[in-house]
Amino acid sequence: SQTIHQWPATLVQPVGSPLSLECTVEGTSNPNLYWYRQAAGRGLQLLFYSVGIGQISSEVPQNLSASRPQDRQFILSSKKLLLSDSGFYLCAWSGWGAGEDTQYFGPGTRLTVL
Amino acid sequence: QKEVEQDPGPLSVPEGAIVSLNCTYSNSAFQYFMWYRQYSRKGPELLMYTYSSGNKEDGRFTAQVDKSSKYISLFIRDSQPSDSATYLCAMSARGGYQKVTFGTGTKLQVIP
Repeated sequence: SQTIHQWPATLVQPVGSPLSLECTVEGTSNPNLYWYRQAAGRGLQLLFYSVGIGQISSEVPQNLSASRPQDRQFILSSKKLLLSDSGFYLCAWSGWGAGEDTQYFGPGTRLTVL
Repeated sequence: QKEVEQDPGPLSVPEGAIVSLNCTYSNSAFQYFMWYRQYSRKGPELLMYTYSSGNKEDGRFTAQVDKSSKYISLFIRDSQPSDSATYLCAMSARGGYQKVTFGTGTKLQVIP
């Protein structure tokens, strides 16, 4: 079966500090990977998606970036965090081995920027 | 106009009630329809998945799709306190490899 991991679970960072969130998927190969941000009352906002190693598409221009150094690893980064970067960050995957042809989410990282 | 509209609630019901959650959408290309359940401070989990129009039942849950009206529903029978969560509808034109559009979620509270 497939498992998706995210860490850290919770993070409190000062404004202007860097960010690195990691997501890994087990039990599949060549998945599509996604980063979403969820803000209260605003639903899920797709930030980045990747169809393969080194292939990143950005949905929303901002001070965040994503990288996919390995097939099942997806990293969300920032050089300098803004207050508006606070939120719940979710990684998701889709593809081979999934029960249904849709996206499956990780447990999320709650980021607070102070 | 948003592609997917979902009443944010909150919706409070007594234990044992039948719950109806709904979404409307505007994109006629959508063919795959999902419902996710999200507990507080957790990631969404897939609850129901349907393709095209019709009904699908899984235990106490029934998903209904009416493409002619661009309207989808999730019914929960014999609701339990453990059903208290936010329910997100989601839809896509070509399955999970393509963009999935999510509703903003309806918060449900089932009162014992």
